[in-house]
Amino acid sequence: QQQVKQSPQSLIVQKGGIPIINCAYENTAFDYFPWYQQFPGKGPALLIAIRPDVSEKKEGRFTISFNKSAKQFSLHIMDSQPGDSATYFCAASYNTDKLIFGTGTRLQVFP
Amino acid sequence: DVKVTQSSRYLVKRTGEKVFLECVQDMDHENMFWYRQDPGLGLRLIYFSYDVKMKEKGDIPEGYSVSREKKERFSLILESASTNQTSMYLCATRGPRRGSSYEQYFGPGTRLTVT
Repeated sequence: QQQVKQSPQSLIVQKGGIPIINCAYENTAFDYFPWYQQFPGKGPALLIAIRPDVSEKKEGRFTISFNKSAKQFSLHIMDSQPGDSATYFCAASYNTDKLIFGTGTRLQVFP
Repeated sequence: DVKVTQSSRYLVKRTGEKVFLECVQDMDHENMFWYRQDPGLGLRLIYFSYDVKMKEKGDIPEGYSVSREKKERFSLILESASTNQTSMYLCATRGPRRGSSYEQYFGPGTRLTVT
């Protein structure tokens, strides 16, 4: 019940494509869903986050879609660029102290 | 800018050694976390601390302990290192809530190899 399942494990797209990363959860008590971006040799950094009272949040080229009834949320990257190549982690939290992370998706964007 | 520093980027230790990983933050954050990152397993919480001298077990505390004597410093201790503790270790901090954000700030990580 504490798991957050993330897919795919890896993703390769061409520049300008729209990679989509999906996450699913079981615990309906989760109330905060962030996405973290990690470049090689760096720690993860918060990219965008959503609360379950909205179905979509957009920040620049990054959009989270949230489906509360299906207990799923996804990250869409519009007009992807080679600089977006990184590992992306979804996460969920139910008491604000602990984050439960997904297993990560390695994204490669080729020119 | 929040700065989270970890004492070593790379560390090689022998089985049975006692290992100390240090994390220091400069933002006066109450909450500090230790994770390990393994391919295909994501980030898993080992321990966290919400105040000086306070600690709570995360999801995989076995074989680890922590120490928080000062607010800015959070140490992870491997009492007797084993090869299955070879991993990337990430420290993170979180400050007070801002709006709906519970952002955690991560250090660059320490890649530990136990031989």
